[in-house]
Amino acid sequence: KNQVEQSPQSLIILEGKNCTLQCNYTVSPFSNLRWYKQDTGRGPVSLTIMTFSENTKSNGRYTATLDADTKQSSLHITASQLSDSASYICVARAGGLIFGTGTRLQVFP
Amino acid sequence: GAVVSQHPSRVICKSGTSVKIECRSLDFQATTMFWYRQFPKQSLMLMATSNEGSKATYEQGVEKDKFLINHASLTLSTLTVTSAHPEDSSFYICSARRGIRSLNTEAFFGQGTRLTVV
Repeated sequence: KNQVEQSPQSLIILEGKNCTLQCNYTVSPFSNLRWYKQDTGRGPVSLTIMTFSENTKSNGRYTATLDADTKQSSLHITASQLSDSASYICVARAGGLIFGTGTRLQVFP
Repeated sequence: GAVVSQHPSRVICKSGTSVKIECRSLDFQATTMFWYRQFPKQSLMLMATSNEGSKATYEQGVEKDKFLINHASLTLSTLTVTSAHPEDSSFYICSARRGIRSLNTEAFFGQGTRLTVV
């Protein structure tokens, strides 16, 4: 069964701190791994897309890693800002898109 | 980046009425659009794939007569929730792919529509 699991479910950090979100996926056939940011009451916005041959990809303060052997991905956020408060969704492509349940990040001043 | 606009962002309707949600690709043509439903603290669940000029493809368990999809042009798909009931209350999100269909094509999402049926 195609599945994407994320951890932690929720995370609280102070402004300026770094954090790392985890994603484990079990999908077949695997095409790519995506990270999205979803603000409350809004649609998801793409952060990164990585194919199996890519190990890391950055988008500003967001850096995603992918280990296709262990089927794990992470999203690292550097120097967090209050506007980073959102849900971060890991999505694996296997034909269609398989969505994780997301990590709810809250950044406090 | 590409923009997908969804309207309305919020709607409250009475039980038994129908509600139409629009999804527009503003700066590109989308032969395929997708409709998702999201419950609180849950992931997006694909409801149907909307194909321009042809019938939509519905996921298992999604009633096609309940959720009518029309994709009449390359920039507009609509989802109509017919005879809405309180259990249809949810967050509905559309997405569209730009360009040549490939596995690595980025999907752009609309802002979502919060439907509340009272």
